Amino acid sequence: AQSVTQPDIHITVSEGASLELRCNYSYGATPYLFWYVQSPGQGLQLLLKYFSGDTLVQGIKGFEAEFKRSQSSFNLRKPSVHWSDAAEYFCAAVKAAGNKLTFGGGTRVLVKP
Amino acid sequence: KAGVTQTPRYLIKTRGQQVTLSCSPISGHRSVSWYQQTPGQGLQFLFEYFSETQRNKGNFPGRFSGRQFSNSRSEMNVSTLELGDSALYLCASQWSVGTGRETQYFGPGTRLLVL
Repeated sequence: AQSVTQPDIHITVSEGASLELRCNYSYGATPYLFWYVQSPGQGLQLLLKYFSGDTLVQGIKGFEAEFKRSQSSFNLRKPSVHWSDAAEYFCAAVKAAGNKLTFGGGTRVLVKP
Repeated sequence: KAGVTQTPRYLIKTRGQQVTLSCSPISGHRSVSWYQQTPGQGLQFLFEYFSETQRNKGNFPGRFSGRQFSNSRSEMNVSTLELGDSALYLCASQWSVGTGRETQYFGPGTRLLVL
């Protein structure tokens, strides 16, 4: 079955420190991959997406993600976290020629002052 | 351009009742998808509508249904509500040629509480 896994449920990081959120997928063929962020009481906002090509993808708000086919991973990173980055982050995947997003369980990020 | 809007934002119902949620997509978007978000099950795909036709369906019981109108607005209905239907229901719209490459834009959600 197709699945997306985010191993870390919670991550606490100090403001100004770097952040890395892990995402692994299990699909027959490489899916299209996305990272979304959800702030409390809000819907989901797209941070970045990967279809093919360059394995390092730049997104909004200073985020980037690296696709590694050999590890079936699509990890999200930010060099220096701001207090406003406290939110829940979701990795998602969709098959080519499909519109059904499959989400990971999410990682809640807490930012310490 | 206005984003995806969902109404109502909050809803309280009792078991056995039915509920209808509404979603207005971004202007020009023709596809609307619905997702259920719960603490236990996370984000799960309910169904997708395109040009007034259901194009994809998730693994939910028949109590969950939807429809799309000619202006692309969509409604979802849940009949015979159960306590486990308490959730945040998210709607997402996209232009949609069905390639999977398009960004789905999410609304703020409708939070449903079933008592």
